Amino acid sequence: DSGVTQTPKHLITATGQRVTLRCSPRSGDLSVYWYQQSLDQGLQFLIQYYNGEERAKGNILERFSAQQFPDLHSELNLSSLELGDSALYFCASSVDGVGYGYTFGSGTRLTVV
Amino acid sequence: QQQVKQSPQSLIVQKGGISIINCAYENTAFDYFPWYQQFPGKGPALLIAIRPDVSEKKEGRFTISFNKSAKQFSLHIMDSQPGDSATYFCAANQSNTGNQFYFGTGTSLTVIP
Repeated sequence: DSGVTQTPKHLITATGQRVTLRCSPRSGDLSVYWYQQSLDQGLQFLIQYYNGEERAKGNILERFSAQQFPDLHSELNLSSLELGDSALYFCASSVDGVGYGYTFGSGTRLTVV
Repeated sequence: QQQVKQSPQSLIVQKGGISIINCAYENTAFDYFPWYQQFPGKGPALLIAIRPDVSEKKEGRFTISFNKSAKQFSLHIMDSQPGDSATYFCAANQSNTGNQFYFGTGTSLTVIP
């Protein structure tokens, strides 16, 4: 157990729907990162939050959004889902905002049908 | 554009052999190069990392070799074991400006008993 908790582990939904993925960082970690892992793209950085504030943004689609709450857990919202959004979504955390020693969760596997 | 290029895509090694995975990068501002190990159904886990001020770092059977002038780095797994069978990702990061890690596309390693 890495200490980073992601729920749900699996999610199957239809195109056009909206889903929310949840991440609880490792105890003491202030920064949360979201990554998308697909077979053809590898691990792609989506967005980072540090202590509630957005810190960095990658190739995140406008249909996707995230936030980090006062208790430091984070949610990734995916809307107007398309078949191509099917992927593993990983959350990682680190104690500071720099990123050394990322700790990844086990991921949420999203299948859009 | 793939910031970090990784090869080979897959690798089969006999037990006791040496596994070598290579990565190349373009951005000379990258200053932190971790390797991650991922087992099926799990998130990537930090294995070993190096900074460009050293040419080699060894931790147990795992060694990173770094060639700054060639902008290449590689992971060597000595005395490979079946338990090492996993997907390995190299990554790179520019620590002073961003927290986004750029990942290679992964190498699936199979160690045959």
